[in-house]
Amino acid sequence: ETGVTQTPRHLVMGMTNKKSLKCEQHLGHNAMYWYKQSAKKPLELMFVYNFKEQTENNSVPSRFSPECPNSSHLFLHLHTLQPEDSALYLCASSQDQANYGYTFGSGTRLTVV
Amino acid sequence: SQQGEEDPQALSIQEGENATMNCSYKTSINNLQWYRQNSGRGLVHLILIRSNEREKHSGRLRVTLDTSKKSSSLLITASRAADTASYFCATETGGSYIPTFGRGTSLIVHP
Repeated sequence: ETGVTQTPRHLVMGMTNKKSLKCEQHLGHNAMYWYKQSAKKPLELMFVYNFKEQTENNSVPSRFSPECPNSSHLFLHLHTLQPEDSALYLCASSQDQANYGYTFGSGTRLTVV
Repeated sequence: SQQGEEDPQALSIQEGENATMNCSYKTSINNLQWYRQNSGRGLVHLILIRSNEREKHSGRLRVTLDTSKKSSSLLITASRAADTASYFCATETGGSYIPTFGRGTSLIVHP
């Protein structure tokens, strides 16, 4: 365990479903991130939250909706996804958003059918 | 556009040999980080090297940074089968403190 916990580990959903991914960290970090990892592609940054405020939104489609109720929890709400959204979704946290490296969770393997 | 680019894309060696992976980048950086990812898992932070540093060690890992050539290398000495994983470099540039990742090097260490 790295200190960043993601649930569920695996998720299969239909294109009309609504689901949520959860990320939790108790490392005292104040920045949290969602990344998407697809095969043969670099890690893609999706959203950044710093002290619960969203500071980055990397042109992510609106079918992905993040929520950060506090500095320890981060959600990614999913609705009407497409098959190309199938990927490994990784959550990470860091201290002060600079110079200390990231701690990643184990990811949620999402398959959209 | 992608900042860090790892080379080679894939590396296959025997246990006990050294493994060297390289990372090249395009613009000036604040720091460069190396991560390891086991299949289907999250990334694990290995080493962060700042732009004013030239070399760092951690156990069997040695990272060098050459800012004049905009490149870094990760050396794993006396490799083990457990080192089999993908290795990524990530760079933080300018005023953005969010690292940009490359596509990674896939390392296979045969027992």
